[in-house]
Amino acid sequence: QKEVEQNSGPLSVPEGAIASLNCTYSDRVSQSFFWYRQYSGKSPELIMSIYSNGDKEDGRFTAQLNKASQYVSLLIRDSQPSDSATYLCAVNSPGGGNKLTFGTGTQLKVEL
Amino acid sequence: DAGITQSPRHKVTETGTPVTLRCHQTENHRYMYWYRQDPGHGLRLIHYSYGVKDTDKGEVSDGYSVSRSKTEDFLLTLESATSSQTSVYFCAISEINGLRGEAFFGQGTRLTVV
Repeated sequence: QKEVEQNSGPLSVPEGAIASLNCTYSDRVSQSFFWYRQYSGKSPELIMSIYSNGDKEDGRFTAQLNKASQYVSLLIRDSQPSDSATYLCAVNSPGGGNKLTFGTGTQLKVEL
Repeated sequence: DAGITQSPRHKVTETGTPVTLRCHQTENHRYMYWYRQDPGHGLRLIHYSYGVKDTDKGEVSDGYSVSRSKTEDFLLTLESATSSQTSVYFCAISEINGLRGEAFFGQGTRLTVV
């Protein structure tokens, strides 16, 4: 069973709309959750981290965490064409080593 | 940007040859990781290090070995490269401060085994 699940997309949204990206994870003891953005041919770039239940906002980005439902989401407000990328959800794995387990990513396309 | 440098950035090698990829960091972070990224599989952990000379296996470690003789350098070796090891390899670093443990990635190495 995959430990971190994401819809692969592509998710298409019009410019200026809200993009909603979702992620579920299987291990209840996970404590740290991250969203990375990856442009084609580039390395993953950290954009949000969240550690407790609720919402965390940073500019146009909001991360949401619900540990009871084992669910993490990323909202991107006022989506721009430059937001078009693959978004990776990552979860801290238990067992030491601060290891991150990644989902396969959701491709987002923001259309003009 | 986090001070992480991977070398080489691109490499083509023949099946059966040994290959070593290097990751160098200037952040003095304790943890270092090697991931590979393949279509449909996302990022998968190969090996990681939690200190000098302290390493452990990840989920796809077969055919790979690592070494860390200095805090700043983490080497990934393919003992005898196979076509299935054609991939993009990313090094990452992290440090733990309470719950925080964000990982930061290098630019990646595109390896082709022919």
